[in-house]
Formats: sequence, structure tokens, C-alpha cells
Amino acid sequence: DAGVIQSPRHEVTEMGQEVTLRCKPISGHNSLFWYRQTMMRGLELLIYFNNNVPIDDSGMPEDRFSAKMPNASFSTLKIQPSEPRDSAVYFCASTSELENEQFFGPGTRLTVL
Amino acid sequence: DAKTTQPTSMDCAEGRAANLPCNHSTISGNEYVYWYRQIHSQGPQYIIHGLKNNETNEMASLIITEDRKSSTLILPHATLRDTAVYYCIVRPGGYNKLIFGAGTRLAVHP
Repeated sequence: DAGVIQSPRHEVTEMGQEVTLRCKPISGHNSLFWYRQTMMRGLELLIYFNNNVPIDDSGMPEDRFSAKMPNASFSTLKIQPSEPRDSAVYFCASTSELENEQFFGPGTRLTVL
Repeated sequence: DAKTTQPTSMDCAEGRAANLPCNHSTISGNEYVYWYRQIHSQGPQYIIHGLKNNETNEMASLIITEDRKSSTLILPHATLRDTAVYYCIVRPGGYNKLIFGAGTRLAVHP
């Protein structure tokens, strides 16, 4: 298995632009998580889905952030409009009830100028 | 979720055992202790977890005190590739969320 796949790996955009981050979980996993990591705040859980349904979005910073999971093999995290303070590494992770662990993707490094 | 306390940083000589402590004095009876690590620029990686018994796998050993208020992750023969940030997390069984703290930055030196 290729593991969790994230795209793009790097994204540089200007303030005010829309940014879409993509994640493909491991096949057969039914839980998907989006995290954000910054030097100041560390690794934070933004939202997680179970069977494509958002279960907990309490970590989503504000209305500019939205996440969707239209099917079991794809999820997006969208920021509109983006701001410099959104610059961070965004990780996607997946798991299932049969696993003891979450499997993390390589992350997307977002820079908002 | 129970809170954990870890030292900010630790050093270890290559080939020696690395013992990383974690305090979780408010842990509940149904909460497991999980350890993950994050090597620079990569996503976190699962290491091991346990409830009350000591656990060992190919990566590490986990020693949990009898009162479960603290635990130690042991890397028996640390290598330079073990240089990473190590996170101790407690969470209920069957519960999906992972809440990461600041972790311990382990530096393994030659």
C-alpha cells in the first residue's frame, strides 16, 4: 500500500487566494483526520471524519476553513481566503477500528505570502 | 483527555538505551498510553501503546507504573535515526482523537 497520500506537497500562495489541500487515505480505512502543525501551536487536530461524516470539527479555526469527504477515498481541506497566519504544515491521517494507530501522510507545507 | 507532562529535551549516546519519561497523573481507568514520534519534516509515526501491562515490540518497550500515573518509553539501542520528537498521549480505548502535546525532543549523538 502507498500509505496516506497528500497533495500538493508544497504550496505557496498569496494572501486572499483560495487553497485546497487533498488527501487520499489508506484503502479500507474509515476514519480520516486533518492536523495542522506550526512552531507556535504544535500539532493540532482540526477535524476528523468517520465513514465520510464529520464527527468533530471543534479544531477548525474559523469559517475560512472547510473540509469535505465526498467518498471513502478522498478528502479536501479548503482555506478561503487564505491569510499569512495559515502558513503551516498540514497533515492528513487515517485509521480503522482494526488498527491501533493512525497512519500519517507526508504533509503539505503551505506558505501564504 | 488526561494531560501528559514530558521533558522538553533529552540527549542519548548512540548505542545506549534511551529512556523517555511521561507523567500522566490524571489518567482514567479506561485510558491507554500511546507513544508516537516525529522525525524532522515527516508525519508522526506510531511506536507503541499500553493500558497497564508493560509492552514490547520491535521498536521499543513501554513500562507503565503500577498506579499508571507515569510511564517510560525505552529505545534499547538508540541510533542516529531515532533523533526525533517523541509524544506521549493518553486517550480512552476506542476513541479516535489524538491530542498532541509538545513532546520530548530526543537527540542521539555519536
